[in-house]
Amino acid sequence: KAGVTQTPRYLIKTRGQQVTLSCSPISGHRSVSWYQQTPGQGLQFLFEYFSETQRNKGNFPGRFSGRQFSNSRSEMNVSTLELGDSALYLCASSPRGGGVTEAFFGQGTRLTVV
Amino acid sequence: AQSVSQHNHHVILSEAASLELGCNYSYGGTVNLFWYVQYPGQHLQLLLKYFSGDPLVKGIKGFEAEFIKSKFSFNLRKPSVQWSDTAEYFCAVNGDNNAGNMLTFGGGTRLMVKP
Repeated sequence: KAGVTQTPRYLIKTRGQQVTLSCSPISGHRSVSWYQQTPGQGLQFLFEYFSETQRNKGNFPGRFSGRQFSNSRSEMNVSTLELGDSALYLCASSPRGGGVTEAFFGQGTRLTVV
Repeated sequence: AQSVSQHNHHVILSEAASLELGCNYSYGGTVNLFWYVQYPGQHLQLLLKYFSGDPLVKGIKGFEAEFIKSKFSFNLRKPSVQWSDTAEYFCAVNGDNNAGNMLTFGGGTRLMVKP
């Protein structure tokens, strides 16, 4: 069974640009969550999508957005990139919508903003 | 809002030593608790989870954790560590104040096991 796939694995962008990251969940999983991991702030929740609807949102500015498609694949977008957006962005998928389930993480996309 | 504290940021042990990593959470409702591990260059993997029932849960690779509700704690233990346990360990909580799978993570504990 294939795991969570994130593309691309590495990205270098210039301040002010925008970026789109992609996540393919495990087959059959309907919930996709996104996290930002940095050395200073650790792992922080960005948002979660279930059945194409955003269900939870973390404390991030509106420059961070996402969406989920009917096949459960998800994308997240960051507009007007800042140096502080440099981080490892992790996607996680879960089989069901409720909390009594575990999250399976992808390898992440390493974003560097220069 | 829920929060998670891992008080040990860095731990260095020799092989065969016993391990206990602390995890305390702040949330008054029902919680689901997790320990994840991140080996160097690899993705986050689930070590163990607590949803309900027996507060002593066993996970993969000989790890176990005990949920003590009165102390809001979920400490991770292993009786004898190996060099291959070198990794970063994250405690996480999902409270019943959200309808989905939002996890709040602790800051992580970097474990180095000396051969």
